[in-house]
Amino acid sequence: DTAVSQTPKYLVTQMGNDKSIKCEQNLGHDTMYWYKQDSKKFLKIMFSYNNKELIINETVPNRFSPKSPDKAHLNLHINSLELGDSAVYFCASSRGLAGSYEQYFGPGTRLTVT
Amino acid sequence: AQSVAQPEDQVNVAEGNPLTVKCTYSVSGNPYLFWYVQYPNRGLQFLLKYITGDNLVKGSYGFEAEFNKSQTSFHLKKPSALVSDSALYFCAVREGDNQGGKLIFGQGTELSVKP
Repeated sequence: DTAVSQTPKYLVTQMGNDKSIKCEQNLGHDTMYWYKQDSKKFLKIMFSYNNKELIINETVPNRFSPKSPDKAHLNLHINSLELGDSAVYFCASSRGLAGSYEQYFGPGTRLTVT
Repeated sequence: AQSVAQPEDQVNVAEGNPLTVKCTYSVSGNPYLFWYVQYPNRGLQFLLKYITGDNLVKGSYGFEAEFNKSQTSFHLKKPSALVSDSALYFCAVREGDNQGGKLIFGQGTELSVKP
């Protein structure tokens, strides 16, 4: 069984469109995250949620809106897509916020904005 | 501010030889250190972590890492490399239990193991 899953795996869309990426974890974890990996493979956190509450918003444009309907799901909605949003987006989860907990990553969603 | 540096963009090793992927970190408190591996078109897989205690940490697939507080390093090692170890390796750090779970990643090191 896949621990952290994301859909879709690939997303190609035009500038100005709105799109969503879904994430689900079946590990029973309390904390979920969104990371962005740019074209140089650099990884940076965007958001973290703990028990459905937003904990971190790492100066992400407000065109990006995460939503956590329950502890097992963290979706990412992006409005008015721009060329610079093209990247791979990874969802992750961990048991909790404590520093000792490792994070488990989904397979990624490759977003291409044309 | 926390930071992680992986000084080598690429490491080339012959199969069967030992490998080392370097990582240094900077935090103001006690660090939690992690290594992840990313295979092409895949997500990151957790390899190992240092929390406290023994400086030599063993992880998945025969990898180990040595925490060195005086040199602020956490190098990843494997005694005998396999071609299948070829991938992108990330070192990451967290400072304590605050900061909302934020992992700070290094820029990644591409490991290439040739037969």
